[in-house]
Amino acid sequence: AQSVTQLDSHVSVSEGTPVLLRCNYSSSYSPSLFWYVQHPNKGLQLLLKYTSAATLVKGINGFEAEFKKSETSFHLTKPSAHMSDAAEYFCVVSDRDYKLSFGAGTTVTVRA
Amino acid sequence: DSGVTQTPKHLITATGQRVTLRCSPRSGDLSVYWYQQSLDQGLQFLIQYYNGEERAKGNILERFSAQQFPDLHSELNLSSLELGDSALYFCASSVTGGRFNEQFFGPGTRLTVL
Repeated sequence: AQSVTQLDSHVSVSEGTPVLLRCNYSSSYSPSLFWYVQHPNKGLQLLLKYTSAATLVKGINGFEAEFKKSETSFHLTKPSAHMSDAAEYFCVVSDRDYKLSFGAGTTVTVRA
Repeated sequence: DSGVTQTPKHLITATGQRVTLRCSPRSGDLSVYWYQQSLDQGLQFLIQYYNGEERAKGNILERFSAQQFPDLHSELNLSSLELGDSALYFCASSVTGGRFNEQFFGPGTRLTVL
């Protein structure tokens, strides 16, 4: 069985400062891991994905995430937050059975 | 715009009724997924189809059913609706349905059961 825990339900940052969204997973198989973003009243958009190649994954809009097997973590970071980054972020794990399991989500607020 | 379309955008109905949600995948995508997003349960995977066949099942209630047609569009049927079925229902599509495939999400259908 697979599961995802997003350690923060809400993160507030100032514009121009770093963003860190924390995610831990459990999986009985080599997982695929994803980060999706959902802006208000919109569908989900893929930010980046890990599929057992490089452990540091670069995504769109300056986001990146590092897969750490020993810590079962896949934290999402961005060096400098922009107002447009205000959204909800989901960490997602996919196991061998094709199903996606979503974390509870982290709401990011960006202060001017 | 992801290329996945969902209709209707909003649906308001009463308890006990039946509704059908429709999804058209991106051109070329063979796999379709349905998800339910609610405040108390978060985002939950319901069911996946690949090229017309059911591939994986998640937390889908027996009152719910889905199918994928030969033209690859999909419909999610919700019957005997209850207040707790009020949620945002997303459809997503991917090229082959493998676990490495990116899923492209539609804008969702917001269902309100009164």
